[in-house]
Amino acid sequence: AQSVAQPEDQVNVAEGNPLTVKCTYSVSGNPYLFWYVQYPNRGLQFLLKYITGDNLVKGSYGFEAEFNKSQTSFHLKKPSALVSDSALYFCAVRDRDQAGTALIFGKGTTLSVSS
Amino acid sequence: ETGVTQTPRHLVMGMTNKKSLKCEQHLGHNAMYWYKQSAKKPLELMFVYSLEERVENNSVPSRFSPECPNSSHLFLHLHTLQPEDSALYLCASSPDAGPGTEAFFGQGTRLTVV
Repeated sequence: AQSVAQPEDQVNVAEGNPLTVKCTYSVSGNPYLFWYVQYPNRGLQFLLKYITGDNLVKGSYGFEAEFNKSQTSFHLKKPSALVSDSALYFCAVRDRDQAGTALIFGKGTTLSVSS
Repeated sequence: ETGVTQTPRHLVMGMTNKKSLKCEQHLGHNAMYWYKQSAKKPLELMFVYSLEERVENNSVPSRFSPECPNSSHLFLHLHTLQPEDSALYLCASSPDAGPGTEAFFGQGTRLTVV
C-alpha cells in the first residue's frame, strides 16, 4: 500500500530564511512524487513532481525538492522564503508500477512565513 | 485558475436532503477524481473515473454516489448525509490515470451537513 508522511503539522520561518517542508513516502514499487500548495479557500495547485532523472527537481515560485531513494524522502525547499509562501503544502505519491491509481496525499504541513 | 470548475462553492444541507455537487473541466482530460478534505487529515480519495468508467472506489459509503456522464463532467450525488460528512470536496482531473501525470484541482465545494 502507498502512504505519505508529513511529520510536521506546522513550519515557521522568517522571511528571507531558507525553508524545508519534510515528506517521506512508502510504495511497493518505484514512486512518482508530487508537491501541491493550497491557499485559503482554494483548491490545490501543482508545484512540482519527480518522475525520473535528476534527483533535484525545480518547480513553481522558486521551490525545489530533492528525491532521496535511500531515505525514501522528497523534502520541499526554498532558499529564501516570502510571506506570500504562507499556505498549506501537500506531498503526494503514486506507485509507478501500478496503473490506474490516483495520488495519495499526506495530511499537509502549514507553512507560516513571518515578516 | 486550473480549468476545473466546481459548483456550488458552498452548500449547507440537512441530513434528509438530496443534493449534487458538479465538476466540469474543458482541459481534454480523460481522468477525473473526487477527494474529501477534512481538517488535519490527509486528502481522502473517494472515486476515480477514467474514460467515463469508474476505476477505483475507496470504500465510500453508499450515501455518496458518483456519476460521470462524459469526460468533461463529474457529479457527486449526496443523500441522507451525516454531520461528519461536512468537509471540503475537491474534484480533480488529469490527462489520463497514468501514474506520472499531475492532477489539476478545482476550488472545492465546502459542504456543511446540519
